Amino acid sequence: SQQGEEDPQALSIQEGENATMNCSYKTSINNLQWYRQNSGRGLVHLILIRSNEREKHSGRLRVTLDTSKKSSSLLITASRAADTASYFCATAADRGSTLGRLYFGRGTQLTVWP
Amino acid sequence: NAGVTQTPKFQVLKTGQSMTLQCAQDMNHNSMYWYRQDPGMGLRLIYYSASEGTTDKGEVPNGYNVSRLNKREFSLRLESAAPSQTSVYFCASRSGLTLHFGNGTRLTVT
Repeated sequence: SQQGEEDPQALSIQEGENATMNCSYKTSINNLQWYRQNSGRGLVHLILIRSNEREKHSGRLRVTLDTSKKSSSLLITASRAADTASYFCATAADRGSTLGRLYFGRGTQLTVWP
Repeated sequence: NAGVTQTPKFQVLKTGQSMTLQCAQDMNHNSMYWYRQDPGMGLRLIYYSASEGTTDKGEVPNGYNVSRLNKREFSLRLESAAPSQTSVYFCASRSGLTLHFGNGTRLTVT
């Protein structure tokens, strides 16, 4: 399976701290994406990093990708209570699939305490 | 801009009953997807439609059928519901490389 695996499963921090979540995957990828899911809602796309990129930033988000280790990390800096949500990584195959199929991990539940 | 709209939001079925989950997007996207989300399992792809008139199986298609009615609408049908189909179902459409999700249908089969 190409499914990504997030680590840790759950993370609890105080407002203002940084939150780091990791994702490992098994096969070659075209790109890796991170999504966020608030309780009772659908997933929302946060950031995409292509296989030839090593780092990407978007606001308080920083994503890294290490294709040699088949792993990625999502860093949320200066976290806020509103960042409380589940975070999922999703991988897209680099060959054989041109239809945008994404394989999702099981997610990391982030709780940010005020 | 409504994005991806799913109906109903909640549904309870008895084993053996049938129902159709509706999904519509107003973003003129070609590709649409149905996922199910179970605790500890992440999201798993049931069916997808790369464009109007085409559908293909995903990872867990058994027990489901789909219809791509037109470019906007992609429905998921359970012909004979089973307790194992208790789940939250998400519809998504694709823009470029990223997915836009609806808010889900929470289905319970008793």
